[in-house]
Amino acid sequence: GAVVSQHPSRVICKSGTSVKIECRSLDFQATTMFWYRQFPKQSLMLMATSNEGSKATYEQGVEKDKFLINHASLTLSTLTVTSAHPEDSSFYICSASTPWRTDARGTEAFFGQGTRLTVV
Amino acid sequence: DQQVKQNSPSLSVQEGRISILNCDYTNSMFDYFLWYKKYPAEGPTFLISISSIKDKNEDGRFTVFLNKSAKHLSLHIVPSQPGDSAVYFCAASARRSSGSARQLTFGSGTQLTVLP
Repeated sequence: GAVVSQHPSRVICKSGTSVKIECRSLDFQATTMFWYRQFPKQSLMLMATSNEGSKATYEQGVEKDKFLINHASLTLSTLTVTSAHPEDSSFYICSASTPWRTDARGTEAFFGQGTRLTVV
Repeated sequence: DQQVKQNSPSLSVQEGRISILNCDYTNSMFDYFLWYKKYPAEGPTFLISISSIKDKNEDGRFTVFLNKSAKHLSLHIVPSQPGDSAVYFCAASARRSSGSARQLTFGSGTQLTVLP
């Protein structure tokens, strides 16, 4: 399947600083990238949807000024957690997608390996 | 309001037996369903999917069944292996306009433990 690389896999930062997480599609062009957040023992909650070259669409309750998303190219999207606080500590996951197509595997969404953010 | 529900947070099965993971949904606009497997500190890995025009899809040890009238789907793993131990997420998607990617709505996951 397609490969999506997310970096860093783990980051610890001080409260008040900003952290940038990168999501790259390595072998295909992703017109859309999704950013999720997972709390312990809970589901993956969609934070925002970003389409290349346009502003991200944020889900209700997600602060767009706090979670800055940039999708400048078809292979790279970034999530920046600004002025991080301990409550932002979580597991963040991106997925990259192409417009719907039926393929043998039946999926169009490929996930990165996730980033564990700890704010101290 | 959870549109995709996995009511069993955990399931333990003996190696070699069948594992059955269940998922219910409420949104009748969903027309595509997927199962993902996830290990701790890793991203989800796609397992199998099913379109709403089908009621069964099989891929090796994995079979997904869809009951549209009950808005219920299930993932069967047989025979279960210790390496199958992971969290399994059910996801659903509604058709979008041509050219736009589908957005997935995930259930809360079921931790499957296969005992040797």
